[in-house]
Amino acid sequence: GAVVSQHPSRVICKSGTSVKIECRSLDFQATTMFWYRQFPKQSLMLMATSNEGSKATYEQGVEKDKFLINHASLTLSTLTVTSAHPEDSSFYICSARDLGPVGEQFFGPGTRLTVL
Amino acid sequence: AQKVTQAQTEISVVEKEDVTLDCVYETRDTTYYLFWYKQPPSGELVFLIRRNSFDEQNEISGRYSWNFQKSTSSFNFTITASQVVDSAVYFCALSEGRTGANNLFFGTGTRLTVIP
Repeated sequence: GAVVSQHPSRVICKSGTSVKIECRSLDFQATTMFWYRQFPKQSLMLMATSNEGSKATYEQGVEKDKFLINHASLTLSTLTVTSAHPEDSSFYICSARDLGPVGEQFFGPGTRLTVL
Repeated sequence: AQKVTQAQTEISVVEKEDVTLDCVYETRDTTYYLFWYKQPPSGELVFLIRRNSFDEQNEISGRYSWNFQKSTSSFNFTITASQVVDSAVYFCALSEGRTGANNLFFGTGTRLTVIP
Protein backbone atom coordinates (compact mmCIF):
# COMPACT_ATOMS: atom_id res chain seq x y z
CA GLY A 1 0.00 0.00 0.00
CA ALA A 2 0.93 3.65 -0.25
CA VAL A 3 3.29 5.00 2.38
CA VAL A 4 3.34 8.40 4.00
CA SER A 5 6.22 9.40 6.23
CA GLN A 6 6.58 12.18 8.75
CA HIS A 7 9.72 13.69 10.14
CA PRO A 8 10.53 14.06 12.91
CA SER A 9 8.50 11.49 14.78
CA ARG A 10 9.07 13.27 18.06
CA VAL A 11 10.36 16.73 18.91
CA ILE A 12 10.88 18.62 22.13
CA CYS A 13 11.56 22.31 21.93
CA LYS A 14 11.69 25.42 24.05
CA SER A 15 8.88 27.90 24.11
CA GLY A 16 9.30 30.56 21.43
CA THR A 17 11.13 28.42 18.91
CA SER A 18 9.79 27.29 15.57
CA VAL A 19 9.41 23.68 14.57
CA LYS A 20 9.08 22.26 11.08
CA ILE A 21 7.31 18.97 10.42
CA GLU A 22 7.62 17.24 7.08
CA CYS A 23 5.04 15.00 5.47
CA ARG A 24 6.12 12.94 2.47
CA SER A 25 4.29 10.58 0.19
CA LEU A 26 6.95 7.99 -0.59
CA ASP A 27 5.56 6.03 -3.49
CA PHE A 28 2.81 8.17 -4.92
CA GLN A 29 2.06 11.75 -5.82
CA ALA A 30 -0.37 13.81 -3.79
CA THR A 31 -1.84 17.12 -4.87
CA THR A 32 -3.64 17.36 -1.58
CA MET A 33 -2.41 16.71 1.93
CA PHE A 34 -4.28 17.24 5.16
CA TRP A 35 -2.90 18.24 8.54
CA TYR A 36 -4.65 17.05 11.68
CA ARG A 37 -3.97 17.75 15.34
CA GLN A 38 -4.77 15.46 18.23
CA PHE A 39 -4.56 16.62 21.84
CA PRO A 40 -4.07 13.94 24.52
CA LYS A 41 -7.03 11.61 24.80
CA GLN A 42 -8.98 13.57 22.23
CA SER A 43 -10.01 13.08 18.66
CA LEU A 44 -8.25 14.20 15.51
CA MET A 45 -9.22 17.62 14.28
CA LEU A 46 -8.49 18.92 10.82
CA MET A 47 -6.25 21.96 10.88
CA ALA A 48 -5.76 22.68 7.22
CA THR A 49 -5.83 21.35 3.71
CA SER A 50 -2.61 21.71 1.80
CA ASN A 51 -2.73 21.93 -1.99
CA GLU A 52 0.35 21.66 -4.14
CA GLY A 53 1.27 24.98 -5.69
CA SER A 54 -1.36 27.03 -3.90
CA LYS A 55 -2.17 28.43 -0.50
CA ALA A 56 -3.43 26.14 2.19
CA THR A 57 -7.00 26.29 3.39
CA TYR A 58 -7.27 26.61 7.15
CA GLU A 59 -10.11 25.49 9.35
CA GLN A 60 -11.89 27.98 11.52
CA GLY A 61 -9.92 28.83 14.62
CA VAL A 62 -6.55 27.78 13.23
CA GLU A 63 -4.10 30.66 12.93
CA LYS A 64 -2.51 30.61 9.50
CA ASP A 65 0.35 32.84 10.62
CA LYS A 66 1.20 30.47 13.43
CA PHE A 67 0.87 27.24 11.49
CA LEU A 68 2.63 27.81 8.20
CA ILE A 69 1.99 25.23 5.54
CA ASN A 70 4.00 24.80 2.38
CA HIS A 71 3.20 22.21 -0.27
CA ALA A 72 6.06 22.78 -2.68
CA SER A 73 5.95 19.49 -4.54
CA LEU A 74 3.63 16.58 -5.21
CA THR A 75 5.33 14.52 -2.53
CA LEU A 76 6.09 16.98 0.25
CA SER A 77 4.12 19.23 2.54
CA THR A 78 5.59 20.97 5.56
CA LEU A 79 3.94 22.37 8.65
CA THR A 80 5.89 24.95 10.62
CA VAL A 81 4.72 25.79 14.10
CA THR A 82 6.06 29.28 14.63
CA SER A 83 6.90 30.63 18.08
CA ALA A 84 5.66 27.47 19.70
CA HIS A 85 4.12 27.57 23.15
CA PRO A 86 3.22 24.79 25.59
CA GLU A 87 -0.39 24.84 24.44
CA ASP A 88 0.83 23.81 20.97
CA SER A 89 2.05 20.53 22.41
CA SER A 90 0.11 17.91 20.53
CA PHE A 91 0.24 14.99 18.12
CA TYR A 92 0.30 16.21 14.54
CA ILE A 93 -0.75 13.78 11.81
CA CYS A 94 -0.73 14.34 8.09
CA SER A 95 -2.51 12.46 5.37
CA ALA A 96 -1.98 12.45 1.64
CA ARG A 97 -4.48 11.88 -1.12
CA ASP A 98 -3.28 10.08 -4.20
CA LEU A 99 -4.05 11.14 -7.76
CA GLY A 100 -5.82 7.94 -8.75
CA PRO A 101 -9.49 7.76 -9.76
CA VAL A 102 -10.49 6.64 -6.29
CA GLY A 103 -8.32 9.18 -4.56
CA GLU A 104 -7.59 7.27 -1.42
CA GLN A 105 -6.18 8.97 1.64
CA PHE A 106 -3.19 7.62 3.53
CA PHE A 107 -2.02 8.72 6.97
CA GLY A 108 1.47 9.36 8.21
CA PRO A 109 2.70 7.96 11.53
CA GLY A 110 2.38 11.30 13.31
CA THR A 111 4.73 13.74 15.04
CA ARG A 112 4.57 14.27 18.76
CA LEU A 113 5.47 17.85 19.64
CA THR A 114 6.29 18.84 23.20
CA VAL A 115 6.92 22.49 23.93
CA LEU A 116 8.61 23.20 27.24
CA ALA B 1 -23.42 19.83 9.24
CA GLN B 2 -21.43 16.67 9.48
CA LYS B 3 -20.94 14.90 12.76
CA VAL B 4 -19.71 11.56 14.02
CA THR B 5 -20.74 10.32 17.44
CA GLN B 6 -19.10 7.52 19.34
CA ALA B 7 -21.05 7.41 22.54
CA GLN B 8 -18.86 4.80 24.22
CA THR B 9 -15.81 6.55 25.63
CA GLU B 10 -14.23 3.47 27.16
CA ILE B 11 -15.04 -0.22 27.06
CA SER B 12 -13.39 -3.07 28.94
CA VAL B 13 -13.93 -6.69 28.06
CA VAL B 14 -12.34 -9.93 29.08
CA GLU B 15 -10.34 -11.73 26.45
CA LYS B 16 -12.39 -13.87 24.08
CA GLU B 17 -15.53 -11.85 24.62
CA ASP B 18 -17.22 -10.18 21.67
CA VAL B 19 -17.48 -6.40 21.70
CA THR B 20 -19.36 -3.91 19.53
CA LEU B 21 -18.26 -0.32 19.07
CA ASP B 22 -21.01 2.06 18.09
CA CYS B 23 -20.83 4.85 15.55
CA VAL B 24 -23.61 7.21 14.54
CA TYR B 25 -23.10 9.85 11.89
CA GLU B 26 -24.82 12.89 10.47
CA THR B 27 -24.42 14.33 7.01
CA ARG B 28 -26.48 16.17 4.43
CA ASP B 29 -24.58 14.63 1.56
CA THR B 30 -26.16 11.70 -0.23
CA THR B 31 -22.73 10.40 -1.17
CA TYR B 32 -20.19 9.85 1.56
CA TYR B 33 -17.72 7.37 2.96
CA LEU B 34 -17.37 5.92 6.43
CA PHE B 35 -14.17 4.64 7.96
CA TRP B 36 -12.87 2.87 11.01
CA TYR B 37 -9.32 3.35 12.25
CA LYS B 38 -7.42 1.75 15.09
CA GLN B 39 -4.92 3.84 17.06
CA PRO B 40 -2.61 1.79 19.26
CA PRO B 41 -0.46 3.47 21.95
CA SER B 42 2.19 4.26 19.35
CA GLY B 43 -0.23 6.78 17.88
CA GLU B 44 -0.15 5.65 14.27
CA LEU B 45 -3.56 5.28 12.68
CA VAL B 46 -4.26 1.83 11.31
CA PHE B 47 -6.84 1.73 8.55
CA LEU B 48 -9.51 -0.93 9.08
CA ILE B 49 -12.29 -0.32 6.60
CA ARG B 50 -13.81 2.15 4.17
CA ARG B 51 -17.43 1.90 3.11
CA ASN B 52 -19.35 4.12 0.70
CA SER B 53 -22.90 5.24 1.27
CA PHE B 54 -24.30 3.13 -1.53
CA ASP B 55 -22.97 -0.12 -0.20
CA GLU B 56 -24.94 -1.29 2.80
CA GLN B 57 -23.68 -4.81 2.63
CA ASN B 58 -22.18 -5.92 5.89
CA GLU B 59 -18.56 -6.93 5.82
CA ILE B 60 -16.54 -9.48 7.69
CA SER B 61 -12.77 -9.63 7.83
CA GLY B 62 -11.47 -12.28 10.15
CA ARG B 63 -12.59 -11.42 13.66
CA TYR B 64 -13.82 -8.01 12.54
CA SER B 65 -17.25 -7.24 11.16
CA TRP B 66 -19.11 -4.08 10.33
CA ASN B 67 -22.82 -3.35 10.25
CA PHE B 68 -23.84 -0.37 8.13
CA GLN B 69 -27.44 0.77 8.55
CA LYS B 70 -28.38 3.88 6.61
CA SER B 71 -31.84 3.90 8.15
CA THR B 72 -30.32 4.61 11.55
CA SER B 73 -27.17 6.36 10.28
CA SER B 74 -25.01 3.86 12.07
CA PHE B 75 -21.82 2.05 11.20
CA ASN B 76 -21.05 -0.28 14.06
CA PHE B 77 -17.92 -2.37 14.45
CA THR B 78 -17.80 -5.75 16.14
CA ILE B 79 -14.72 -7.63 17.26
CA THR B 80 -15.34 -11.31 17.85
CA ALA B 81 -13.30 -13.29 20.35
CA SER B 82 -11.34 -10.23 21.44
CA GLN B 83 -7.62 -10.43 22.11
CA VAL B 84 -5.28 -8.33 24.20
CA VAL B 85 -3.72 -6.96 21.01
CA ASP B 86 -7.08 -5.41 20.17
CA SER B 87 -6.60 -2.93 23.00
CA ALA B 88 -6.47 0.49 21.39
CA VAL B 89 -8.53 3.57 20.64
CA TYR B 90 -10.88 3.08 17.72
CA PHE B 91 -12.09 5.99 15.63
CA CYS B 92 -15.04 6.13 13.30
CA ALA B 93 -14.80 8.80 10.61
CA LEU B 94 -16.83 10.34 7.82
CA SER B 95 -15.73 11.79 4.49
CA GLU B 96 -18.28 13.61 2.42
CA GLY B 97 -18.26 13.52 -1.35
CA ARG B 98 -18.08 10.86 -3.98
CA THR B 99 -14.46 9.77 -3.65
CA GLY B 100 -13.98 9.38 0.07
CA ALA B 101 -10.75 11.28 -0.27
CA ASN B 102 -11.87 14.54 1.20
CA ASN B 103 -10.90 15.45 4.72
CA LEU B 104 -12.18 13.18 7.45
CA PHE B 105 -14.42 14.10 10.34
CA PHE B 106 -13.53 11.90 13.26
CA GLY B 107 -15.60 10.75 16.16
CA THR B 108 -14.22 11.15 19.65
CA GLY B 109 -13.00 7.58 19.73
CA THR B 110 -13.66 4.56 21.92
CA ARG B 111 -10.87 3.23 24.09
CA LEU B 112 -11.05 -0.54 24.18
CA THR B 113 -9.23 -2.47 26.84
CA VAL B 114 -9.10 -6.24 26.57
CA ILE B 115 -8.27 -7.85 29.86
CA PRO B 116 -6.34 -11.12 29.75
